[in-house]
Amino acid sequence: QSVLTQPPSVSGAPGQRVTISCTGNSFNIGAGYDVHWYQQGPGTAPKLLIYANTNRPSGVPDRFSGSKSGTSASLAIAGLQAEDEADYYCQSYDSSLSGVLFGGGTKLTVL
Amino acid sequence: QVQLQESGPGLVKPSQTLSLTCTVSGGSISSSDYYWSWIRQPPGKGLEWIAYIFYSGSTYYNASLKSRATISLDTSKNQFSLKLNSVTAADTAVYYCVREVIVVPAVHNWFDPWGQGTLVTVSS
Repeated sequence: QSVLTQPPSVSGAPGQRVTISCTGNSFNIGAGYDVHWYQQGPGTAPKLLIYANTNRPSGVPDRFSGSKSGTSASLAIAGLQAEDEADYYCQSYDSSLSGVLFGGGTKLTVL
Repeated sequence: QVQLQESGPGLVKPSQTLSLTCTVSGGSISSSDYYWSWIRQPPGKGLEWIAYIFYSGSTYYNASLKSRATISLDTSKNQFSLKLNSVTAADTAVYYCVREVIVVPAVHNWFDPWGQGTLVTVSS
């Protein structure tokens, strides 16, 4: 079980908005370390989706947004599309582990 | 545009050494702006960071793998490598080589881009 907790699955209909949470503690997100998000489609490598809590790399649609507050972070996806069906991972740093850690991942299903 | 490509055996016997190489194209591995990392993902499971190396040769390892892992680089070939010894079935995973973007302070680093990954199976 990862130190960064994500719901195993979320789902939504096309056009809807969904959020994926990433809950940490005072040694990682709560300590002020940035949170980054990755999208992993079926059989593909992870792709950077959000960096430094709220920033989208070039080419990522503005339907994707990130936020962070206290010991948690969230990824929001607006206007769900079939192509958004994928696994999503959060990532941060943990001072108790002195290293990088990832959330356990959330599988998004577009109904 | 930087691209990374993993290479190495897809099957390793238990107790032997897993060896992988990552070839970087479209950019120099000698940049001071990046670390070069390995991350793995067991089938159906999440991501685990293994180690990184800087162009200077400095390294840093996941504490849980430090005793078995060695990361190195060859700047003349623009490649970096991973060796993991005494492997068991638990080391079966897709191994990704990844560029780690250095931010100040480095605890805020993120990973981009990722190689396509290579599946390594540990089995006799």
